[in-house]
Amino acid sequence: AAGVIQSPRHLIKEKRETATLKCYPIPRHDTVYWYQQGPGQDPQFLISFYEKMQSDKGSIPDRFSAQQFSDYHSELNMSSLELGDSALYFCASSFKDRLNTEAFFGQGTRLTVV
Amino acid sequence: AQSVAQPEDQVKVAEGNPLTVKCTYSVSGNPYLFWYVQYPNRGLQFLLKYITGDNLVKGSYGFEAEFNKSQTSFHLKKPSALVSDSALYFCAVRASGGYQKVTFGTGTKLQVIP
Repeated sequence: AAGVIQSPRHLIKEKRETATLKCYPIPRHDTVYWYQQGPGQDPQFLISFYEKMQSDKGSIPDRFSAQQFSDYHSELNMSSLELGDSALYFCASSFKDRLNTEAFFGQGTRLTVV
Repeated sequence: AQSVAQPEDQVKVAEGNPLTVKCTYSVSGNPYLFWYVQYPNRGLQFLLKYITGDNLVKGSYGFEAEFNKSQTSFHLKKPSALVSDSALYFCAVRASGGYQKVTFGTGTKLQVIP
């Protein structure tokens, strides 16, 4: 079965550079969530989109922005990268308000800022 | 605001013994509850969920969890632990309703000793 696809799987950037992470949800899923998991930490919610509109916002820095496109894929843009941005970034997708829905997670993008 | 508490950072159990990983939650309205497992350098894998119905839910790899509304708990259990069950386990909650974000607990590291 198709799963959530994230690219790239690994990314190394220098401080002050920019990075773009991509997420392709499961087909027919209309909701995308982004999470950041620092080393030894639990996943922290960043932002979510439903039907291409931002639906909720968590602890996302102002240096980060995200959007969901017409094909429902999403991109997380990160600028002025800092060492503390090094983390595993997860994308998850779900179908809005279906009774048995849960968020399906991608494998994550491991971002290392040096 | 919704939250999840996993009171134990680490649980150690001998192979073949029953295991329990504890989780309590707080959410407005009816909860959707989930357990995810994370192996080193891997994404979050869905184990099981409670949406409605029978309080005892069965999931992947022989795991089960019991929803207790009065105690707001959703403990993960397995009758006989395997060494391969050693991983990081996250309990998660979301409120019922459309495009609600999932909130994770801090995770419990399960170590099954041969």
